[in-house]
Amino acid sequence: EADIYQTPRYLVIGTGKKITLECSQTMGHDKMYWYQQDPGMELHLIHYSYGVNSTEKGDLSSESTVSRIRTEHFPLTLESARPSHTSQYLCASSESNSMNTEAFFGQGTRLTVV
Amino acid sequence: AQKITQTQPGMFVQEKEAVTLDCTYDTSDPSYGLFWYKQPSSGEMIFLIYQGSYDQQNATEGRYSLNFQKARKSANLVISASQLGDSAMYFCAMREQNSWGKLQFGAGTQVVVTP
Repeated sequence: EADIYQTPRYLVIGTGKKITLECSQTMGHDKMYWYQQDPGMELHLIHYSYGVNSTEKGDLSSESTVSRIRTEHFPLTLESARPSHTSQYLCASSESNSMNTEAFFGQGTRLTVV
Repeated sequence: AQKITQTQPGMFVQEKEAVTLDCTYDTSDPSYGLFWYKQPSSGEMIFLIYQGSYDQQNATEGRYSLNFQKARKSANLVISASQLGDSAMYFCAMREQNSWGKLQFGAGTQVVVTP
């Protein structure tokens, strides 16, 4: 069973608010990822990290930012939420240097900005 | 450019029947991995099956099997003996050797299993 957790599961927030989506894993994985997914659509990589103090932007441009101060923790922050940020955000992690191991996903955060 | 293509937006299948979900991919890396995930309406991503580019045999995991045709760059998922609980979105994904572990996903196929 995957040990990767996201909080909150659901969040409804007003425009202009600052929000942080939490993601933690207890598997000791170096690599962590944030994907954005609109309902019924594909997942788009918005951020990833190879390890502590390493963060990179993904394929889809995002106004969010991430940090990786601890191996197990990879929070995503939106400084000023807008309705266009309404989406599902999925956090994932995987082992380093293992081509054939799957990425483990959290349960996702469904964000609605009103 | 789209690297993973899933051409079937949705499919209906009767309980106990088999269903094949199509996936084609594009890469110039000689080493890559192909994954299938299931996403129920609750939203979590559940790993189903993996196929490596150098694997000689098609992968199987219980009722799931992968029809891997390397020359055609296709990796179709076969679900045998469908169950009502198989109703979900199914995503094909690829990890290239030089991608630092990143997975690229297709657009997904919605499967609805009917009694």
